[in-house]
Amino acid sequence: EPEVTQTPSHQVTQMGQEVILRCVPISNHLYFYWYRQILGQKVEFLVSFYNNEISEKSEIFDDQFSVERPDGSNFTLKIRSTKLEDSAMYFCASDNLLDTQYFGPGTRLTVL
Amino acid sequence: AQSVTQLGSHVSVSEGALVLLRCNYSSSVPPYLFWYVQYPNQGLQLLLKYTSAATLVKGINGFEAEFKKSETSFHLTKPSAHMSDAAEYFCAVSDLRGFKTIFGAGTRLFVKA
Repeated sequence: EPEVTQTPSHQVTQMGQEVILRCVPISNHLYFYWYRQILGQKVEFLVSFYNNEISEKSEIFDDQFSVERPDGSNFTLKIRSTKLEDSAMYFCASDNLLDTQYFGPGTRLTVL
Repeated sequence: AQSVTQLGSHVSVSEGALVLLRCNYSSSVPPYLFWYVQYPNQGLQLLLKYTSAATLVKGINGFEAEFKKSETSFHLTKPSAHMSDAAEYFCAVSDLRGFKTIFGAGTRLFVKA
């Protein structure tokens, strides 16, 4: 069965550093998403991406965040200057709009 | 704006008992509704989804949910709990465009032997 993959599984960084979280969506999917889940809290929508541009973003997705599809397979989330409160599990997802949304296993980001 | 409320952050049932996890939604447009399960240290797995077809939706692992527009509810049920059902369950809603999925706070299901 096709699956969404994410790397790394765990990223530790110092406050103020830039991090890039990587995702490989399912190959024939056109819509891509990032969500985050702070430990013990609910899953929160960050951004959706289609046709090389952001479709929708939440208030969490401020200027510190950016997304990119640098090639035909990867979908990345960049946090320019990490803060302690960015520590969370970040999930990538993909689908073909209103079809089943497949989630990756997540990247646990720890900001020290 | 859309929102989801899950009643009960923790639910405990005995093995073999009925599982009922409650979800109420708010949406100004016809919603698409989902239930996801998350096992410890894993990602989200779709259990079932409602997309305006049949109001009773059957999912994986014996779960089902019924969309009740009059009650703005989408409760998840399973007739007989199994130990392997112990996990966190999230109800979620999206609009017809599907660009954004809003999740509830989650309900942790405990299954006692």
